[in-house]
Amino acid sequence: EVQLVESGGGLVKPGGSLRLSCAASGFTFSSHTMNWVRQSPGKGLEWVASISGTSSYVFYADSVRGRFSISRDNANNSLHLQMNSLRGEDTAVYYCARDALLFDLWGRGTLVTVSS
Amino acid sequence: QSALTQPASVSGSPGQSITLSCTGTSSDVGNYNYVSWYQQLPGKAPKLMIYDVSHRPSGVSDRFSGSKSGNTASLTISGLQPDDEATYYCSSYTRSSTLGVFGGGTKLTVL
Repeated sequence: EVQLVESGGGLVKPGGSLRLSCAASGFTFSSHTMNWVRQSPGKGLEWVASISGTSSYVFYADSVRGRFSISRDNANNSLHLQMNSLRGEDTAVYYCARDALLFDLWGRGTLVTVSS
Repeated sequence: QSALTQPASVSGSPGQSITLSCTGTSSDVGNYNYVSWYQQLPGKAPKLMIYDVSHRPSGVSDRFSGSKSGNTASLTISGLQPDDEATYYCSSYTRSSTLGVFGGGTKLTVL
């Protein structure tokens, strides 16, 4: 089955760190750019980070640049997001999504709550 | 404030046709044919409905169609059904950023 499954979310204090993962299956993972998109409670979607198939190119939203790091492990069909120096405004459901410019496959998301 | 502007809400009756708008600038919608539309049901992940302005992914009903004129992209839903009630987001490539941008979303209510 073609799917993406996120994990790693939870409650973390401001200034803390968290590492999200996304397990891909059912397609040739290494052939696709992968993305993290987040959605704050009751709010819209925000593109967070993207990484090309061979990890040659990575891009970040201004709001997370310098704090978040996207990476991938093509041997294990997994995508990761290392989040450091977390802030309250980072509280959101984080989705992994496939492909650049069009997100044709989404995971169910994992909730990250930043609160003391 | 989102980079792309969408009306916060629209409503329609079953069987009706309705058009949702997504307004950008010449830095995004106006000069690139990389506009996508997503449907998000409550508590669910978004689902791709339209890509590259007017292309429908396999499995998406042909009641959904996309178009663009100038800096405004549109999603038209014909033969409105109760199951179409959802929030719809547009997105576009933008030369203003290394990542694309989303609209703020339009909540569609089927009366």
